Amino acid sequence: AQKITQTQPGMFVQEKEAVTLDCTYDTSDPSYGLFWYKQPSSGEMIFLIYQGSYDQQNATEGRYSLNFQKARKSANLVISASQLGDSAMYFCAMSPADFGNEKLTFGTGTRLTIIP
Amino acid sequence: KAGVTQTPRYLIKTRGQQVTLSCSPISGHRSVSWYQQTPGQGLQFLFEYFSETQRNKGNFPGRFSGRQFSNSRSEMNVSTLELGDSALYLCASRESGGVSYEQYFGPGTRLTVT
Repeated sequence: AQKITQTQPGMFVQEKEAVTLDCTYDTSDPSYGLFWYKQPSSGEMIFLIYQGSYDQQNATEGRYSLNFQKARKSANLVISASQLGDSAMYFCAMSPADFGNEKLTFGTGTRLTIIP
Repeated sequence: KAGVTQTPRYLIKTRGQQVTLSCSPISGHRSVSWYQQTPGQGLQFLFEYFSETQRNKGNFPGRFSGRQFSNSRSEMNVSTLELGDSALYLCASRESGGVSYEQYFGPGTRLTVT
């Protein structure tokens, strides 16, 4: 079974500062994928970034980067230069990396509020 | 490319009724998954369809069912609705078979059971 833990229910960050959202995971699968999604108040889940367990380098997508520490089983999301539009719920998720078995297991989420 | 679409966006039903929700995946995506999101339970996997076959199933009662059509569009059905079925139902599509494991979500259907 897979488990995702997000220990920060809410965070307040000043605009233009960098922010790190914590995520730890547990799994017995030999290979897996880690995801971060953003959910604004409208409800839609927006894909942000993906990291494969065998990827040597940390994933980056624009202002988003994933700080992947496999030994610590952590996959923190770093948002550089935060903007007001970054205010939303953020979910860490994982799935087995087996073709045909990609169901996502989500954490409880972190509500990020950017302060002007 | 158009994103994942879900209809209807909002729905109000009465206990005991049944409901059908629809999801159209991104063009070319053959895998469709459904998730239920509630304040108490968070996001939970319902089931996944690929090429008209249910490939994975979450831990939900048999009142929750789904199907997928040859054009990859999917429907989920909930029979004998209960108050606890009130939730945001999210559909996600994936290319499947490619190198990307990314799943793209639709805007969701917000179901309220009274």
